[in-house]
Amino acid sequence: DQQVKQNSPSLSVQEGRISILNCDYTNSMFDYFLWYKKYPAEGPTFLISISSIKDKNEDGRFTVFLNKSAKHLSLHIVPSQPGDSAVYFCAASPQTGANNLFFGTGTRLTVIP
Amino acid sequence: EAGVVQSPRYKIIEKKQPVAFWCNPISGHNTLYWYLQNLGQGPELLIRYENEEAVDDSQLPKDRFSAERLKGVDSTLKIQPAELGDSAVYLCASSPSGGIEAFFGQGTRLTVV
Repeated sequence: DQQVKQNSPSLSVQEGRISILNCDYTNSMFDYFLWYKKYPAEGPTFLISISSIKDKNEDGRFTVFLNKSAKHLSLHIVPSQPGDSAVYFCAASPQTGANNLFFGTGTRLTVIP
Repeated sequence: EAGVVQSPRYKIIEKKQPVAFWCNPISGHNTLYWYLQNLGQGPELLIRYENEEAVDDSQLPKDRFSAERLKGVDSTLKIQPAELGDSAVYLCASSPSGGIEAFFGQGTRLTVV
């Protein structure tokens, strides 16, 4: 049973516009959420995270929003750049820390120049 | 700082043959993970080590998979015998104890023919 879901397998956005990647989860015990970025033939790279005590975390062009009541989080990238083209994975943990990360299936973002 | 190093990067073997993967974590990282990533899926945890102790191996298919982390540093993951369904990317990751995010290696792409 997939506890973390990314229902959009792909997303195309024009350069300079906003990219919004969505993630839903089912386990109310999840306490910490992370986004990873993955280029072809490379391992996932940590991008940004958020604790369940917050509803927003911002790091440069990247912002993650958490809606606990809806069990939904989203990653906003503004402005999008061609170098952002990659697969983005949402992950969740039932406790603070990287233990037992549960990953979604990923969303492939293509930023069109 | 060197990242997580995995070898080999690619491996092609015939079914029923044994195969082993090696991982060197980031220096000082006590926690080491092995993840399995099937095509089109997110990474799934196989085993987690705290130093040399396997603290979560509930998802490791113990009939054919084994892992070890001698001296609490490098780790090897072995499959014997390999089956066609084992074709996937095997990712190693590490983090400081209680760390927020896991740092991934480039992975080993296994093809069983």
